[in-house]
Amino acid sequence: GNSVTQMEGPVTLSEEAFLTINCTYTATGYPSFFWYVQYPGEGLQLLLKATKADDKGSNKGFEATYRKETTSFHLEKGSVQVSDSAVYFCALRDTGANSKLTFGKGITLSVRP
Amino acid sequence: GAGVSQTPSNKVTEKGKYVELRCDPISGHTALYWYRQSLGQGPEFLIYFQGTGAADDSGLPNDRFFAVRPEGSVSTLKIQRTERGDSAVYLCASSPGTSGENIQYFGAGTRLSVL
Repeated sequence: GNSVTQMEGPVTLSEEAFLTINCTYTATGYPSFFWYVQYPGEGLQLLLKATKADDKGSNKGFEATYRKETTSFHLEKGSVQVSDSAVYFCALRDTGANSKLTFGKGITLSVRP
Repeated sequence: GAGVSQTPSNKVTEKGKYVELRCDPISGHTALYWYRQSLGQGPEFLIYFQGTGAADDSGLPNDRFFAVRPEGSVSTLKIQRTERGDSAVYLCASSPGTSGENIQYFGAGTRLSVL
């Protein structure tokens, strides 16, 4: 079956540092990819998505490119802020718009002032 | 409502008891999903409804778990004879259910604690 692997956390960075959160996957068919974020005390929110190979999703300064050759969807941000402190989840959706999401374990990011 | 609403936000019960968790999806969304998130893990799929019918229930762990969506809107997840291992955050998500991007929008979850 499909699976998503995220790098081990937690991650602590200073403000304005560069962020990379690794996400790799195994999947059949033509999945779509998502990064969800969970801020303290809140529910999961969609951060960005990519629906086909080589697509780049971007939002709020975050970017991720769906790379089929390396089976990855790594999340990056050039300069993190304290307000980016949250838990980040990588997820894939099976072929088919109504399919379930398969999530990674999530990683906690803390950004120091 | 503006988003997916889940009630209660917290539920404490004793081992062996029956519980019901409610999900009110975004108005007009025909697809509804239940996930379970254990501590330190990502959400795991339980069941998906398209309209009133369960289109995929492959994630339900055993027959103590059951979910309904009788009118194609509100859904209830029912857990019989609860066990301590059922303690988790239960998440509900809804999506438009049509072709295209069909993004899943999540509620804040119900935290279930089985003592």
